[in-house]
This record gives sequence, structure tokens and C-alpha cells, in this order.
Amino acid sequence: EAQVTQNPRYLITVTGKKLTVTCSQNMNHEYMSWYRQDPGLGLRQIYYSMNVEVTDKGDVPEGYKVSRKEKRNFPLILESPSPNQTSLYFCASSLRTGASGRNTGELFFGEGSRLTVL
Amino acid sequence: SQQGEEDPQALSIQEGENATMNCSYKTSINNLQWYRQNSGRGLVHLILIRSNEREKHSGRLRVTLDTSKKSSSLLITASRAADTASYFCAMTTDSWGKLQFGAGTQVVVTP
Repeated sequence: EAQVTQNPRYLITVTGKKLTVTCSQNMNHEYMSWYRQDPGLGLRQIYYSMNVEVTDKGDVPEGYKVSRKEKRNFPLILESPSPNQTSLYFCASSLRTGASGRNTGELFFGEGSRLTVL
Repeated sequence: SQQGEEDPQALSIQEGENATMNCSYKTSINNLQWYRQNSGRGLVHLILIRSNEREKHSGRLRVTLDTSKKSSSLLITASRAADTASYFCAMTTDSWGKLQFGAGTQVVVTP
């Protein structure tokens, strides 16, 4: 089954304790991205990756790191979490448009990771 | 700043009625997509409309795009209780890097 898998789904942690949220997709997608969702703000992009070893900042990258060492994995790292990073996090992936432009641009989302930082 | 704004923020209708929600955006786009999110779940892609298209259909969904007004609408016809969800528009302004979402419209369909 084609899917994007995030772990953990729920996490309560304390300020300053490093954590990693993993994301894995089994669709051989080139593009992967992280979003955070907060009430009234919709989804805001944190980081994205166009391919292995290629990452770039989204709209709210402060306090986060990512890496893309393999095509299927795109972990989100919070080196020193703070309470304002309490949020619902989503990983998503997509095929990248080729020269033919045949890709639909559809993003496939994971089920989300609810993070609470005390 | 957010690229898309959706209207209304919330919509309550009865089964069988149509639901219409609108999305306005600020800058030129390559394409616009609509997603659905059931409570506490991941988003699910509904439909994509490219900047050179004006209308698109998928089952009970109808999407329009007016690039001169920088706006799009999503119409759900003959709504069902299972359509209860939040609906988000999302748009790309460059080739693939950023997909920016609106704040969403929360739709409640009562039986």
C-alpha cells in the first residue's frame, strides 16, 4: 500500500530535549516536505526536499533541521524544542514533475505527529 | 505570510445541499489544489487545476479558477454526512518548491 509513515504519532517532551520525527514513503517520490498545522493558521511549510541531499527552507524553518540521505526518508529534527513548537506536524511527498509535465502535483500526507513541548 | 485565504471559515449544511467555498490568493500561481482533512487525520488530495484551466470536475466536486480575480471555488454537490471535514486550497507559485495552504474551511454536513 502506498503510504507516508510518520513516527511517533504522539509525543510529549520537555523544553530542550532533542527529538526526531521520522518520515518514510514507499512511493519512490522525489519531493518530500514537512508542515506544521496550528489552529487558525492552516498548514505552514517548514522544510522541503526536491531530491536526495537537496533541501530548502519553507516559511517557518526556525528551530528545525532536516536531512535527506535516502530517497524514502526525511526526518524532522528539533535540536532544542520550545513550547512554541507544540503543534501537529505532517510529512508529505510527491512525484516531481518531469520534462513531460505529466505529474499531477498531488501531495500524499502522513497521518500526522502531535507534539507537545512542556 | 499566507498565500491563500478561504471563505467562509465554517459552513454548516444539511445532507443533499450544495456546499461552496472560496479561495483567494495574492500572487500568480502555477496550479491550485484542493485537499480534504478529516478531524485529526492527514490531508487527502481532491483535485488540481492548472493556471490555464477555468473549470474542472471530479465526481461531485466542481472547481473553478479565475486568475484575473486570483480566486478559486470548490463546490460539493449533493453533500453527504461523510463530506464533513476541513477543506484547504493550496497553490504553487514556483516550479515545485513551495506549496502554500490557506487556513481552511470547516464544513459540517448534518443528516
